[in-house]
Amino acid sequence: AQKITQTQPGMFVQEKEAVTLDCTYDTSDQSYGLFWYKQPSSGEMIFLIYQGSYDEQNATEGRYSLNFQKARKSANLVISASQLGDSAMYFCASPAGRFGAGTRLTVKP
Amino acid sequence: GAVVSQHPSWVICKSGTSVKIECRSLDFQATTMFWYRQFPKQSLMLMATSNEGSKATYEQGVEKDKFLINHASLTLSTLTVTSAHPEDSSFYICSASGPGAYGYTFGSGTRLTVV
Repeated sequence: AQKITQTQPGMFVQEKEAVTLDCTYDTSDQSYGLFWYKQPSSGEMIFLIYQGSYDEQNATEGRYSLNFQKARKSANLVISASQLGDSAMYFCASPAGRFGAGTRLTVKP
Repeated sequence: GAVVSQHPSWVICKSGTSVKIECRSLDFQATTMFWYRQFPKQSLMLMATSNEGSKATYEQGVEKDKFLINHASLTLSTLTVTSAHPEDSSFYICSASGPGAYGYTFGSGTRLTVV
């Protein structure tokens, strides 16, 4: 099973700056993927971005992009131009439904 | 986009009673459903994975007889917490995938409080 690791319990970023949230994975599968979700204090899970192992380019969705490095088995989420509304928990997850421990991002005004 | 409706959003029940949580996919066929529980300030813990028409696959340490999962149709999956106790109090959330949905769509979650 694909194991997901997030080692940053909490991160702070100044509004309008970029921040990188780390995620590493461990899998023996040739084909795999990584999801990133945002969970605000309301509890809902919001899908942000997905990266497939066979995707040739790093995934991007608006202000979200993935720094996907297969050799390092990492799929770090980059949020550009942080906004106060970005303050939330962020989770990296595998297609098998397993989640990392999460990172709490706080955007400071 | 794909929507999963989860009910109830919150429930308070007495110790020893059973509680059923429903997740319905509104505009796609949910061939796979994941059920999670989440404690405050912690990550989502996968409880079980169910495929429509099949028995659920439970994660190690999750009691099958306590957390009954039914996925009898392509649009409905239920989680029943049987003989609930205060330690079962948690946030339960489902996610579904299937044709017509990109990735996994989450329900809005159910906050269960057992008193």
